[in-house]
Amino acid sequence: DQQVKQNSPSLSVQEGRISILNCDYTNSMFDYFLWYKKYPAEGPTFLISISSIKDKNEDGRFTVFLNKSAKHLSLHIVPSQPGDSAVYFCAASARGKSSGDKLTFGTGTRLAVRP
Amino acid sequence: KAGVTQTPRYLIKTRGQQVTLSCSPISGHRSVSWYQQTPGQGLQFLFEYFSETQRNKGNFPGRFSGRQFSNSRSEMNVSTLELGDSALYLCASSLDGPGEQFFGPGTRLTVL
Repeated sequence: DQQVKQNSPSLSVQEGRISILNCDYTNSMFDYFLWYKKYPAEGPTFLISISSIKDKNEDGRFTVFLNKSAKHLSLHIVPSQPGDSAVYFCAASARGKSSGDKLTFGTGTRLAVRP
Repeated sequence: KAGVTQTPRYLIKTRGQQVTLSCSPISGHRSVSWYQQTPGQGLQFLFEYFSETQRNKGNFPGRFSGRQFSNSRSEMNVSTLELGDSALYLCASSLDGPGEQFFGPGTRLTVL
């Protein structure tokens, strides 16, 4: 049962354009969402997060949008740079519950930014 | 501040053997979580330890176990290794409670 889904395994974007990565979830108990970036042979690196009380969070070139009614979130990268080429993971957790510190991850989207 | 460290970085074992992986969290972090990453499966949650107690557990067989020491360092053990256990095992630490976790570089386990 995949509770967090990233339906696009890969995405290719031209440098300078917008990259949009999508993520869907099924568990309505999730109330905190994160995006991680992963390069080969390295652990995931935290990018940006959003609480369910918000619908948008912005940090520099990265913006995350949350649509709770659709159980959907997206990560926008503007402008995209070749150094952004990596695998991006969406993750979710249920804060304040007895589940402790557990993150449920999607399967990842490989982003390639073409020079 | 030093990041999360994991040892060893690479490991080759044969079926039936057992293995122990080690993780040192960021100083001051009390929560340590373990994940398994395999191609096409993303990161699968194994378990989380907080103050030497297992606080949460994923859907893995009992061959996978872990523990946490008083200095927050953690180990995970896999007994009776199977070919399907070949994966990247990632450790992550955080201060307390859900939220941003900081990951180590992982241990690449290959079971032959």
